[in-house]
Amino acid sequence: EIVLTQSPATLSLSPGQRATLSCRASESVSGYLAWYQQKPGQAPRLLIYDTSNRATGVPARFSGSGSGTDFTLTISSLEPEDFAVYYCHQRSSWPLTFGGGTKVEIK
Amino acid sequence: EVQLLESGGELVQPGGSLRLSCAASGFTFSIYAMSWVRQTPGKGLEWVAAIGGGADVTHYADSVKGRFTISRDISRNTLYLQMNRLRAEDTALYFCARSTRGYGDYEAWGPGTLVTVSS
Repeated sequence: EIVLTQSPATLSLSPGQRATLSCRASESVSGYLAWYQQKPGQAPRLLIYDTSNRATGVPARFSGSGSGTDFTLTISSLEPEDFAVYYCHQRSSWPLTFGGGTKVEIK
Repeated sequence: EVQLLESGGELVQPGGSLRLSCAASGFTFSIYAMSWVRQTPGKGLEWVAAIGGGADVTHYADSVKGRFTISRDISRNTLYLQMNRLRAEDTALYFCARSTRGYGDYEAWGPGTLVTVSS
């Protein structure tokens, strides 16, 4: 099983600041790494798929990068609606797995 | 508009059974792989099971293998999860989700249905 480790667990930032979230895989996921945003009481929302492709309707301030085992989600300038929990997810091999999440909170 | 709506979640005793349903609309149900993903209250996401568009391929998390069965009825545009021999650790909010590229990469989710396993 590929284990995804996200860091930090919590990121305290102010609106307008840049957020950098990390996801490290226990083995290569061949670029099949996605990012989701989840707000309280809601289902997750796909933001980024296959490392760096934005899903439909996702603002350009969200970007993904990385390769092999190390991946990053960057939010260039935090908007009030971006404060949420973010999960990475791999579809490279079975079983599919999710990271433990990073909470982006208002400082 | 793509819509997924789960149902069937309830309080059940350990060792009991439950069948979850997910009604799909707004897309051609038969051509997309579908999955169940669960979330323990206050915790993270766990992939549970997946089924291919043709319903001939299924995959399961080790934690549910041999106890849960994923299936789909194309004529009813409905995804199912038959859950047997339920345990306290199966307590979670269960989401159905639609894949867009193979398996994973879930672009559509339902609101979830809550399963509570307790005596």
